[in-house]
Amino acid sequence: GAVVSQHPSRVICKSGTSVKIECRSLDFQATTMFWYRQFPKQSLMLMATSNEGSKATYEQGVEKDKFLINHASLTLSTLTVTSAHPEDSSFYICSALGQEQFFGPGTRLTVL
Amino acid sequence: AQSVSQHNHHVILSEAASLELGCNYSYGGTVNLFWYVQYPGQHLQLLLKYFSGDPLVKGIKGFEAEFIKSKFSFNLRKPSVQWSDTAEYFCAARGAAGNKLTFGGGTRVLVKP
Repeated sequence: GAVVSQHPSRVICKSGTSVKIECRSLDFQATTMFWYRQFPKQSLMLMATSNEGSKATYEQGVEKDKFLINHASLTLSTLTVTSAHPEDSSFYICSALGQEQFFGPGTRLTVL
Repeated sequence: AQSVSQHNHHVILSEAASLELGCNYSYGGTVNLFWYVQYPGQHLQLLLKYFSGDPLVKGIKGFEAEFIKSKFSFNLRKPSVQWSDTAEYFCAARGAAGNKLTFGGGTRVLVKP
Protein backbone atom coordinates (compact mmCIF):
# COMPACT_ATOMS: atom_id res chain seq x y z
CA GLY A 1 0.00 0.00 0.00
CA ALA A 2 0.91 3.64 -0.22
CA VAL A 3 3.44 4.93 2.26
CA VAL A 4 3.40 8.11 4.25
CA SER A 5 6.48 9.11 6.19
CA GLN A 6 6.97 11.56 9.00
CA HIS A 7 10.13 13.19 10.22
CA PRO A 8 11.26 13.30 12.91
CA SER A 9 9.77 10.33 14.70
CA ARG A 10 10.64 11.81 18.07
CA VAL A 11 11.64 15.29 19.15
CA ILE A 12 12.38 16.84 22.49
CA CYS A 13 12.58 20.59 22.73
CA LYS A 14 12.69 23.35 25.27
CA SER A 15 9.69 25.45 26.08
CA GLY A 16 9.45 28.48 23.81
CA THR A 17 11.15 26.95 20.82
CA SER A 18 9.53 25.98 17.52
CA VAL A 19 9.42 22.50 16.07
CA LYS A 20 8.77 21.51 12.46
CA ILE A 21 7.32 18.13 11.54
CA GLU A 22 7.37 16.90 7.95
CA CYS A 23 4.85 14.61 6.33
CA ARG A 24 5.58 13.08 2.95
CA SER A 25 3.58 10.85 0.66
CA LEU A 26 6.25 8.63 -0.84
CA ASP A 27 4.61 7.03 -3.83
CA PHE A 28 1.57 9.11 -4.64
CA GLN A 29 0.54 12.71 -4.91
CA ALA A 30 -1.78 14.08 -2.27
CA THR A 31 -3.62 17.32 -2.77
CA THR A 32 -5.05 16.89 0.69
CA MET A 33 -3.26 15.95 3.87
CA PHE A 34 -4.53 15.91 7.43
CA TRP A 35 -2.88 16.57 10.75
CA TYR A 36 -4.08 14.81 13.87
CA ARG A 37 -3.14 14.93 17.51
CA GLN A 38 -3.38 11.88 19.73
CA PHE A 39 -3.24 12.17 23.49
CA PRO A 40 -2.24 9.14 25.55
CA LYS A 41 -4.94 6.50 25.57
CA GLN A 42 -7.22 8.72 23.52
CA SER A 43 -8.36 8.87 19.95
CA LEU A 44 -7.07 10.92 17.06
CA MET A 45 -8.33 14.47 17.01
CA LEU A 46 -8.26 16.25 13.68
CA MET A 47 -6.35 19.51 13.93
CA ALA A 48 -6.43 20.75 10.37
CA THR A 49 -6.83 19.86 6.74
CA SER A 50 -3.92 20.83 4.55
CA ASN A 51 -4.58 21.56 0.89
CA GLU A 52 -1.75 21.92 -1.60
CA GLY A 53 -1.36 25.47 -2.75
CA SER A 54 -3.89 26.99 -0.38
CA LYS A 55 -4.36 27.81 3.26
CA ALA A 56 -5.05 25.04 5.70
CA THR A 57 -8.48 24.63 7.24
CA TYR A 58 -8.31 24.41 11.01
CA GLU A 59 -10.73 22.65 13.29
CA GLN A 60 -12.52 24.59 15.96
CA GLY A 61 -10.31 25.29 18.94
CA VAL A 62 -7.02 24.80 17.09
CA GLU A 63 -4.86 27.93 17.03
CA LYS A 64 -3.72 28.51 13.48
CA ASP A 65 -0.97 30.88 14.57
CA LYS A 66 0.44 28.26 16.90
CA PHE A 67 0.20 25.30 14.56
CA LEU A 68 1.44 26.53 11.21
CA ILE A 69 0.75 24.27 8.28
CA ASN A 70 2.38 24.52 4.89
CA HIS A 71 1.48 22.23 1.99
CA ALA A 72 3.94 23.46 -0.58
CA SER A 73 3.93 20.46 -2.87
CA LEU A 74 1.80 17.44 -3.70
CA THR A 75 4.02 15.21 -1.60
CA LEU A 76 4.95 17.36 1.39
CA SER A 77 3.09 19.03 4.20
CA THR A 78 4.73 20.51 7.26
CA LEU A 79 3.39 21.30 10.70
CA THR A 80 5.30 23.82 12.77
CA VAL A 81 4.50 24.06 16.45
CA THR A 82 5.51 27.60 17.33
CA SER A 83 6.60 28.66 20.80
CA ALA A 84 5.99 25.18 22.10
CA HIS A 85 4.89 24.65 25.67
CA PRO A 86 4.67 21.48 27.76
CA GLU A 87 0.94 21.20 27.08
CA ASP A 88 1.80 20.81 23.38
CA SER A 89 3.53 17.53 24.16
CA SER A 90 1.66 14.90 22.24
CA PHE A 91 1.73 12.43 19.39
CA TYR A 92 1.17 14.13 16.06
CA ILE A 93 0.01 12.03 13.11
CA CYS A 94 -0.40 13.07 9.52
CA SER A 95 -2.32 11.35 6.80
CA ALA A 96 -2.42 11.81 3.07
CA LEU A 97 -5.48 11.34 0.94
CA GLY A 98 -4.93 9.13 -2.05
CA GLN A 99 -7.25 6.33 -3.08
CA GLU A 100 -7.84 6.07 0.63
CA GLN A 101 -6.47 7.90 3.60
CA PHE A 102 -2.96 6.68 4.44
CA PHE A 103 -1.41 7.46 7.80
CA GLY A 104 2.11 8.29 8.78
CA PRO A 105 3.87 6.65 11.73
CA GLY A 106 3.51 9.71 13.94
CA THR A 107 5.86 12.09 15.70
CA ARG A 108 6.24 12.10 19.46
CA LEU A 109 6.80 15.67 20.65
CA THR A 110 8.00 16.30 24.18
CA VAL A 111 8.31 19.88 25.34
CA LEU A 112 10.38 20.37 28.48
CA ALA B 1 -22.71 17.00 15.68
CA GLN B 2 -20.84 14.14 14.09
CA SER B 3 -19.54 11.58 16.51
CA VAL B 4 -18.29 8.03 16.74
CA SER B 5 -18.30 6.02 19.92
CA GLN B 6 -16.66 2.73 20.78
CA HIS B 7 -18.09 0.88 23.70
CA ASN B 8 -15.06 -0.92 25.02
CA HIS B 9 -11.81 0.76 25.96
CA HIS B 10 -9.98 -2.45 26.73
CA VAL B 11 -10.61 -6.04 25.75
CA ILE B 12 -8.57 -9.00 26.95
CA LEU B 13 -9.12 -12.42 25.49
CA SER B 14 -7.34 -15.66 24.76
CA GLU B 15 -6.20 -16.98 21.42
CA ALA B 16 -8.94 -18.64 19.38
CA ALA B 17 -11.63 -16.66 21.16
CA SER B 18 -14.08 -14.63 19.11
CA LEU B 19 -13.85 -10.88 19.06
CA GLU B 20 -16.54 -8.28 18.60
CA LEU B 21 -15.90 -4.57 19.00
CA GLY B 22 -18.81 -2.19 19.09
CA CYS B 23 -19.01 1.06 17.17
CA ASN B 24 -21.89 3.50 16.94
CA TYR B 25 -21.99 6.67 14.94
CA SER B 26 -24.04 9.82 14.81
CA TYR B 27 -24.02 11.47 11.44
CA GLY B 28 -26.41 13.40 9.27
CA GLY B 29 -26.78 12.06 5.78
CA THR B 30 -24.98 9.23 4.05
CA VAL B 31 -21.95 8.00 5.89
CA ASN B 32 -18.85 6.02 5.00
CA LEU B 33 -17.49 3.82 7.80
CA PHE B 34 -14.03 2.47 8.49
CA TRP B 35 -12.11 0.31 10.90
CA TYR B 36 -8.42 0.99 11.39
CA VAL B 37 -5.87 -1.01 13.36
CA GLN B 38 -2.73 0.30 15.03
CA TYR B 39 -0.26 -2.42 15.99
CA PRO B 40 2.23 -1.54 18.72
CA GLY B 41 4.73 0.95 17.40
CA GLN B 42 3.20 1.07 13.95
CA HIS B 43 1.01 3.46 11.99
CA LEU B 44 -2.70 3.19 11.46
CA GLN B 45 -3.74 0.70 8.80
CA LEU B 46 -7.10 0.27 7.16
CA LEU B 47 -8.81 -3.01 8.06
CA LEU B 48 -12.00 -2.53 6.12
CA LYS B 49 -14.49 0.04 4.95
CA TYR B 50 -18.14 0.36 4.08
CA PHE B 51 -19.47 2.76 1.50
CA SER B 52 -22.62 1.10 0.19
CA GLY B 53 -24.02 -2.25 -0.90
CA ASP B 54 -23.69 -5.45 1.11
CA PRO B 55 -23.75 -4.41 4.77
CA LEU B 56 -21.43 -7.26 5.71
CA VAL B 57 -17.96 -6.17 4.81
CA LYS B 58 -14.92 -8.42 4.81
CA GLY B 59 -11.51 -6.95 5.42
CA ILE B 60 -7.95 -8.06 5.79
CA LYS B 61 -6.63 -10.55 8.33
CA GLY B 62 -9.96 -12.32 8.72
CA PHE B 63 -11.87 -9.33 10.06
CA GLU B 64 -15.39 -8.41 9.07
CA ALA B 65 -17.86 -5.74 10.04
CA GLU B 66 -21.59 -5.36 9.74
CA PHE B 67 -23.32 -2.10 8.99
CA ILE B 68 -26.73 -1.94 10.67
CA LYS B 69 -28.34 1.30 9.61
CA SER B 70 -31.26 1.04 12.02
CA LYS B 71 -28.85 0.80 14.94
CA PHE B 72 -26.31 3.29 13.61
CA SER B 73 -23.74 0.59 14.25
CA PHE B 74 -20.70 -0.83 12.49
CA ASN B 75 -19.35 -3.58 14.73
CA LEU B 76 -16.10 -5.34 14.00
CA ARG B 77 -15.79 -9.09 14.35
CA LYS B 78 -13.24 -11.84 14.06
CA PRO B 79 -14.24 -15.46 14.73
CA SER B 80 -10.90 -16.60 16.12
CA VAL B 81 -8.22 -14.19 17.22
CA GLN B 82 -4.50 -14.71 17.28
CA TRP B 83 -1.84 -13.26 19.52
CA SER B 84 -0.78 -11.06 16.59
CA ASP B 85 -4.17 -9.32 16.71
CA THR B 86 -3.02 -7.48 19.82
CA ALA B 87 -3.44 -3.87 18.80
CA GLU B 88 -5.60 -0.81 19.14
CA TYR B 89 -8.65 -0.65 16.92
CA PHE B 90 -10.33 2.54 15.79
CA CYS B 91 -13.71 2.97 14.22
CA ALA B 92 -14.09 6.05 12.02
CA ALA B 93 -16.80 7.73 10.00
CA ARG B 94 -16.92 10.25 7.24
CA GLY B 95 -19.74 11.99 5.49
CA ALA B 96 -20.08 10.55 2.01
CA ALA B 97 -19.58 13.97 0.46
CA GLY B 98 -16.63 14.94 2.61
CA ASN B 99 -13.10 13.82 3.32
CA LYS B 100 -12.69 14.39 7.06
CA LEU B 101 -12.65 11.33 9.28
CA THR B 102 -14.09 11.35 12.77
CA PHE B 103 -12.56 8.70 15.00
CA GLY B 104 -13.96 6.79 17.90
CA GLY B 105 -12.02 6.58 21.14
CA GLY B 106 -10.28 3.35 20.23
CA THR B 107 -10.30 -0.10 21.80
CA ARG B 108 -7.14 -1.73 23.04
CA VAL B 109 -7.23 -5.45 22.43
CA LEU B 110 -4.84 -7.78 24.19
CA VAL B 111 -4.78 -11.38 23.04
CA LYS B 112 -3.15 -13.72 25.48
CA PRO B 113 -1.18 -16.58 23.95
